[in-house]
Amino acid sequence: AQSVTQLGSHVSVSEGALVLLRCNYSSSVPPYLFWYVQYPNQGLQLLLKYTSAATLVKGINGFEAEFKKSETSFHLTKPSAHMSDAAEYFCAVSDPFQGAQKLVFGQGTRLTINP
Amino acid sequence: DSGVTQTPKHLITATGQRVTLRCSPRSGDLSVYWYQQSLDQGLQFLIQYYNGEERAKGNILERFSAQQFPDLHSELNLSSLELGDSALYFCASSADTGPDRAFFGQGTRLTVV
Repeated sequence: AQSVTQLGSHVSVSEGALVLLRCNYSSSVPPYLFWYVQYPNQGLQLLLKYTSAATLVKGINGFEAEFKKSETSFHLTKPSAHMSDAAEYFCAVSDPFQGAQKLVFGQGTRLTINP
Repeated sequence: DSGVTQTPKHLITATGQRVTLRCSPRSGDLSVYWYQQSLDQGLQFLIQYYNGEERAKGNILERFSAQQFPDLHSELNLSSLELGDSALYFCASSADTGPDRAFFGQGTRLTVV
């Protein structure tokens, strides 16, 4: 079975500082990996995804993530935080050999940006 | 706006009752996915329909059921409601069976009292 662990349910950074949200996965097969963002009272929006191409994936809003097989990690980063980045972020994994029919989500990390 | 419409946005009901949540997918999308987001369980996949047929099942309780109609909208039926069913229920849709290309609706917040 696949699973995702997001380290830190709450992360707080200052505006302009580096954002680092951690995600480790467990999968018996090479996985597809995703980061989603959820703004208050909104649905989930796909930030970026890894589907076995380049290990460094660039997404929307200046975010990127690097797939590290040796560390089973897919951490999300952004060089300079903006107030509008305050939201909840979810890492997710799926099994491409099962038709990628369902996403398994982490518990989420709430990102707070301090002025 | 993702193009996925969920109604109602909020629902308050009593224990033991039955409710129906509705999802209209993006135009042309054949797959509909239902997810439950609760404080206890986080975000969990419930069920997927593709072009009217059940395609995948996740952690969906027997008290819950879903269907996808010929016009591709989907309904999630929740019965014999318990306090623990209070959650945000999301619908997502995609053109094919790949959830990595899915777009999410804004959710229906269900409160069971």
